[in-house]
Amino acid sequence: GNSVTQMEGPVTLSEEAFLTINCTYTATGYPSLFWYVQYPGEGLQLLLKATKADDKGSNKGFEATYRKETTSFHLEKGSVQVSDSAVYFCALRPGAGSYQLTFGKGTKLSVIP
Amino acid sequence: ETGVTQTPRHLVMGMTNKKSLKCEQHLGHNAMYWYKQSAKKPLELMFVYSLEERVENNSVPSRFSPECPNSSHLFLHLHTLQPEDSALYLCASSQERGGGEQFFGPGTRLTVL
Repeated sequence: GNSVTQMEGPVTLSEEAFLTINCTYTATGYPSLFWYVQYPGEGLQLLLKATKADDKGSNKGFEATYRKETTSFHLEKGSVQVSDSAVYFCALRPGAGSYQLTFGKGTKLSVIP
Repeated sequence: ETGVTQTPRHLVMGMTNKKSLKCEQHLGHNAMYWYKQSAKKPLELMFVYSLEERVENNSVPSRFSPECPNSSHLFLHLHTLQPEDSALYLCASSQERGGGEQFFGPGTRLTVL
């Protein structure tokens, strides 16, 4: 079956530090990959996505590259801010025509001034 | 503003109560979803409705009963719940059943005593 594994949190960084949150997946075929973010007290928001191998998704300074050879979709940001404190979820959708999103457990990020 | 609203935001109920969660989407989407978010577990997809027809039911206990009267509204009726049902219940919607991005509401925090 499909599965997503992301690094255990919590992750605590100082402001302006470099961020990496690892995500690897198991899926058949050619899944689409997503990063969602959940701020305190809110629902999930789509942060970025990639639909095929070697695609790079980017938004708000965050980036992730779809690496089929390593089945990975690591999230990176060069300089985090306090406002980036949230829980980040990696997810996959098996393929076109599927509505099933499989999520990782989430990684909590805390950025301190 | 996500365009997906949920009420109530918080709910405390006894094991013998009957209550309902409501979700409304203002995005013109035609698919709606219920997810359960428990601590330290991945998001679990519970139900999917497309064009008001239930298209997925992921082995959810019958004490959870969904209803989708139209494409803008989704309900989750609850009765005789167990304490382990305490969780954050998230509603989402998408433009099309298979390919659209899912937009999430803020969730209802449910506590079963």
